[in-house]
Amino acid sequence: GDSVTQTEGLVTLTKGLPVMLNCTYQTTYSPFLFWYVQHLNEAPKLLLKSSTDNKRTEHQGFYATLHKSSSSFHLQKSSVQLSDSALYFCALSDRGSFNKLTFGAGTRLAVCP
Amino acid sequence: EAAVTQSPRNKVAVTGGKVTLSCNQTNNHNNMYWYRQDTGHGLRLIHYSYGAGSTEKGDIPDGYKASRPSQENFSLILELATPSQTSVYFCASGDAQSQDTQYFGPGTRLLVL
Repeated sequence: GDSVTQTEGLVTLTKGLPVMLNCTYQTTYSPFLFWYVQHLNEAPKLLLKSSTDNKRTEHQGFYATLHKSSSSFHLQKSSVQLSDSALYFCALSDRGSFNKLTFGAGTRLAVCP
Repeated sequence: EAAVTQSPRNKVAVTGGKVTLSCNQTNNHNNMYWYRQDTGHGLRLIHYSYGAGSTEKGDIPDGYKASRPSQENFSLILELATPSQTSVYFCASGDAQSQDTQYFGPGTRLLVL
């Protein structure tokens, strides 16, 4: 079955530094990848998504590129802010009629002053 | 933006009791989903529905039932609650109209004693 792996459980950074959160996946179908962000005591919200190989997608200063050759969809930002502190989930769609998502375990990003 | 609401927001239940979690969406999305969120596991799909009258098992359906009486409403039912079902539960909706983006409700925090 489909699976998503996020290797870091917690990433702690100082404000202004760059960040990369890792996401790799396994699927037998054409991949459609998502990043969701969840701030403390809030609902997860879509951050960005992509199904196009080797094309960078950006939103709110975050960006990611789907690389089918390495089954990866890493999330990056060039300069993190305090407000970026949150839980980040990578998710994979089964591309079926019901668009079921398989989520990774999540990476908590903590940004310090 | 899509609106998904959940009730109750917090619930304390006793072992062996019946618990019903409710979800309402006003976006006319065909698909609705129930997830539970636990540290280290991300979001795991319990049940989903593709329209009124339909319910399908997700990845972890044991101990849960679901009901979709209308396009707008989707309930999750724990007939005999157990402490292992203590978790945060999220409802979501989405379909091809939303370009496969799922919109999440605010969550229900359930404690089973």
